[in-house]
Amino acid sequence: EAGVAQSPRYKIIEKRQSVAFWCNPISGHATLYWYQQILGQGPKLLIQFQNNGVVDDSQLPKDRFSAERLKGVDSTLKIQPAKLEDSAVYLCASSLPRQWAFFGQGTRLTVV
Amino acid sequence: SQQGEEDPQALSIQEGENATMNCSYKTSINNLQWYRQNSGRGLVHLILIRSNEREKHSGRLRVTLDTSKKSSSLLITASRAADTASYFCATDEAGGGNKLTFGTGTQLKVEL
Repeated sequence: EAGVAQSPRYKIIEKRQSVAFWCNPISGHATLYWYQQILGQGPKLLIQFQNNGVVDDSQLPKDRFSAERLKGVDSTLKIQPAKLEDSAVYLCASSLPRQWAFFGQGTRLTVV
Repeated sequence: SQQGEEDPQALSIQEGENATMNCSYKTSINNLQWYRQNSGRGLVHLILIRSNEREKHSGRLRVTLDTSKKSSSLLITASRAADTASYFCATDEAGGGNKLTFGTGTQLKVEL
């Protein structure tokens, strides 16, 4: 089966600019996650979707981050405006209920 | 916030030795999952153990779960240089709607 697709793989932007990441989960996976992973740390959950509804976004900095999942399939994560501390790898994952998650390769964001 | 704390943070062993990593967590869970991450890549699922299971094996991997102590361990037997990676535990929290929360990770280095 095809895996989780993410794009772009790398992105360099200046602070205060905006950026968007795209994720295409595995077909049939209702649950989609966005994680932020800062170098040397574990992935931190930003937002979790069940179909196109938000299950958890308690750690999403809502003043600058937004996410949507159109028609319960693809998802986009946006940062506007970016800060230096947003430099991280942004990981998308999808899963079936009570099963393990499949991860994409991630987008490495550098904010300068 | 991180659900799990992993111990040790870093581990260096010789090829052929066994590696043991521990994970402690805070809330009731449906299952606990272990993932591996090679440098600069996405996470790959290794093994899932459900809350009513105490031990599980998969190839050279052995996972134990003690829900009374809210802890789990991952044992890799007869380690190889290719096992060098970061290892993370993740908990599927009970009542959390499939919310998957990661620990801080153990960085394993296997030397020839």
